[in-house]
Amino acid sequence: DSGVTQTPKHLITATGQRVTLRCSPRSGDLSVYWYQQSLDQGLQFLIQYYNGEERAKGNILERFSAQQFPDLHSELNLSSLELGDSALYFCASSVGAGAYTEQFFGPGTRLTVL
Amino acid sequence: DQQVKQNSPSLSVQEGRISILNCDYTNSMFDYFLWYKKYPAEGPTFLISISSIKDKNEDGRFTVFLNKSAKHLSLHIVPSQPGDSAVYFCAASAIAGGNKLVFGAGTILRVKS
Repeated sequence: DSGVTQTPKHLITATGQRVTLRCSPRSGDLSVYWYQQSLDQGLQFLIQYYNGEERAKGNILERFSAQQFPDLHSELNLSSLELGDSALYFCASSVGAGAYTEQFFGPGTRLTVL
Repeated sequence: DQQVKQNSPSLSVQEGRISILNCDYTNSMFDYFLWYKKYPAEGPTFLISISSIKDKNEDGRFTVFLNKSAKHLSLHIVPSQPGDSAVYFCAASAIAGGNKLVFGAGTILRVKS
């Protein structure tokens, strides 16, 4: 158990809908990362927050947005869902935000868009 | 544009033998490399890492080798155990990129008893 929690574990929805994925980092970690893993691919970095502020951005679609709240939990919002958004979404956390800081991953949320 | 590639989707080895997982990268700016292990229904867990200033790092049964000129790294597991059966991801980062990790597609390792 990494100490990172993600809810829900599974989510099934229809195209065009909007969903929110939630992540609670390990106690004491200030940085949260979101990654997307599509079928047979590696994890793709989406976005990083550090202590409430956006720190780095990857190839995140405009239909996706995220935020980190004062209690440090984070939410990833996915809107106007398409079939291709079906994937595993992982959240990770780390103490700091700089390079070489170990990231601890949650168990992921499996999103299925029908 | 796959900057980190794991060309073997799967690998099967006998218990007690050596497992060698390979990874290639294209971005010369990468200066830190990691291996993660993932069991079903769990998130990836950190296994071992290596900085670009080294060519080898060892931790128990796990050794990572880095060949910068070939832009290649490998993970050796000796001896392999059935509990090592998992998906192994190679990842890389560049100090200029902060702590963003770029992952390969993973290699499924099966250790047969």
